[in-house]
Amino acid sequence: NAGVTQTPKFQVLKTGQSMTLQCAQDMNHNSMYWYRQDPGMGLRLIYYSASEGTTDKGEVPNGYNVSRLNKREFSLRLESAAPSQTSVYFCASSGSRAPTNEKLFFGSGTQLSVL
Amino acid sequence: AQSVTQLGSHVSVSEGALVLLRCNYSSSVPPYLFWYVQYPNQGLQLLLKYTTGATLVKGINGFEAEFKKSETSFHLTKPSAHMSDAAEYFCAVSEGQAGTALIFGKGTTLSVSS
Repeated sequence: NAGVTQTPKFQVLKTGQSMTLQCAQDMNHNSMYWYRQDPGMGLRLIYYSASEGTTDKGEVPNGYNVSRLNKREFSLRLESAAPSQTSVYFCASSGSRAPTNEKLFFGSGTQLSVL
Repeated sequence: AQSVTQLGSHVSVSEGALVLLRCNYSSSVPPYLFWYVQYPNQGLQLLLKYTTGATLVKGINGFEAEFKKSETSFHLTKPSAHMSDAAEYFCAVSEGQAGTALIFGKGTTLSVSS
């Protein structure tokens, strides 16, 4: 039972390069999320998708784009990476359209460094 | 908009001592409250949650939390700390409406010494 799978686990980029972080869940969940984690800042929501076909901005969306490709997959794209985007990125999913009584399932994270 | 404040970025206790991690929230509607734990190099795992009903919530690994509306608090406690409890703990709040998402606090690192 894979749960939430993120790729890659590690990535180093140069300033200005682009890349896409991939996330897939096999639990038939409706909602998917992208968070970034920085020391002393906790987890901050970048974007989320409450259901297939919808996406919404979170707390820190600038510099990112997302695609909810289908119910399973939710990708995060950095069009022109900046050093401020150096972080650990977590994808998560939940069964309901809102995390009321449903817990979030997290992937193992992507450690991204932008030089 | 909702927000979460965790008091104390780092808490140190001795093995067998009481664990108390503090969380205060702000929400314009009755909140849904969560505590998550993160062990090194892993994603987050749910410890416990409060949605409605009983205000004292019991979770995994002997942890519990009490929702106090008058104090807008949801502090996490464990009567006796174990070395394996050393981790980072996050409090989170949701307004529970369709299409919304969890907002996390900045986290508290718990250290346990022998």
